[in-house]
Amino acid sequence: DIQMTQSPSSLSASVGDRVTITCRASQNIDTYLNWYQQKPGKAPKLLIYAASKVQSGVPSRFSGRGSGTDFTLTINTLQPEDFAIYFCQHSHSVPLTFGGGTKVDMK
Amino acid sequence: QVQLVESGGGVVQPGRSLRLSCTASGFNFSSFGMHWVRQAPGKGLEWVAVINFDGNDKYYTDSVKGRFTTSRDNSKSTLFLEMKSLRVEDTALYYCAKEPWMIPLGFYYYMDVWGKGTPVTVSS
Repeated sequence: DIQMTQSPSSLSASVGDRVTITCRASQNIDTYLNWYQQKPGKAPKLLIYAASKVQSGVPSRFSGRGSGTDFTLTINTLQPEDFAIYFCQHSHSVPLTFGGGTKVDMK
Repeated sequence: QVQLVESGGGVVQPGRSLRLSCTASGFNFSSFGMHWVRQAPGKGLEWVAVINFDGNDKYYTDSVKGRFTTSRDNSKSTLFLEMKSLRVEDTALYYCAKEPWMIPLGFYYYMDVWGKGTPVTVSS
């Protein structure tokens, strides 16, 4: 199985900050990597697919990069509504696996 | 508007069974693969199963193989998850989610729309 490791597990930031979250795969997954945002009591929301493609309706301050084993999600100019938990997920093959999540909270 | 609504969750004793449903609306359900993903209380996301558009191709995570079965009734735009021999560690909020694109073969293996989930508690 492909293991997905996210870092950090949590971070504190302020509105207007630039935030970067890292996800590492245990083997080469090309660009089969997706990012989700989850707010308390809500279902996950797709932000980025195929490592760098922004899902329709997602603000342009969200961006993704990477290929192979190392990936990043960047939020430029953090907004109040961006405080949430972020998960990466590989879509290389089954079983699909998610990273452990990164909680972004207010400094 | 694309919508997924799960139902059927509840409290059940270990070893018992439960059947979850997911009713879809706002899109051509019969053309899309569908996933089940669960989230234990306070924990991360765990993929459970995927089924293709016509129900003939299914995959499961190892921990549920032989105990869980996913199926679908395209005439009723409904996805099912039959769960048997439930264990305490199956306790979670169960989400259904759809694949992003129609595809005649295979899967994209990610999810663009999720339901709100239905809770399952396995406890004696």
